[in-house]
Amino acid sequence: GENVEQHPSTLSVQEGDSAVIKCTYSDSASNYFPWYKQELGKRPQLIIDIRSNVGEKKDQRIAVTLNKTAKHFSLHITETQPEDSAVYFCAASKAAGNKLTFGGGTRVLVKP
Amino acid sequence: GAVVSQHPSWVICKSGTSVKIECRSLDFQATTMFWYRQFPKQSLMLMATSNEGSKATYEQGVEKDKFLINHASLTLSTLTVTSAHPEDSSFYICSATKQGIGTEAFFGQGTRLTVV
Repeated sequence: GENVEQHPSTLSVQEGDSAVIKCTYSDSASNYFPWYKQELGKRPQLIIDIRSNVGEKKDQRIAVTLNKTAKHFSLHITETQPEDSAVYFCAASKAAGNKLTFGGGTRVLVKP
Repeated sequence: GAVVSQHPSWVICKSGTSVKIECRSLDFQATTMFWYRQFPKQSLMLMATSNEGSKATYEQGVEKDKFLINHASLTLSTLTVTSAHPEDSSFYICSATKQGIGTEAFFGQGTRLTVV
């Protein structure tokens, strides 16, 4: 089955700096890669996703890149703000709406 | 947007009792729902795929007789933790997708189960 590795497990950045989280996956049949933000005790919230026919996608301060050949994808957050502090999960699935395999999570702390 | 609601949000039960958790899609029909478990400071792990009108598909290592899943309608799936033990204490989250393909998953707010 699919295996998703996520690094780093914790990330501390100064407000205004950029944060980068990287994930690798094992199943070449995976085609959908969402990123979720989860605050303590809350549901995961989709912040951005990318499909395998696209190499990069951007939404304001958030961008995701995908390298299908190398089976890795990354989340980039620019101009970080304290409210960006949370746990971020990458995930992979064969298609949107299919079951998700999650990475281990990255705890991001943005220091004011 | 699509709304998925879980009930209860939290529950405390005694060891040996059973607990039922409901997952409802409020404004759309979902032929498939997923149940995940999340231990403290860990990731979400898929437990099972719930299919409307048929048996659930369980992931390897998940006991189907302990975690009973019923998906009797297009808007409701239930997860029953039978004979709960302290090690079953966890955050259980469901997700649902709209009928059709290519749509994102919508998550319930989660249920915090504590077995004492």
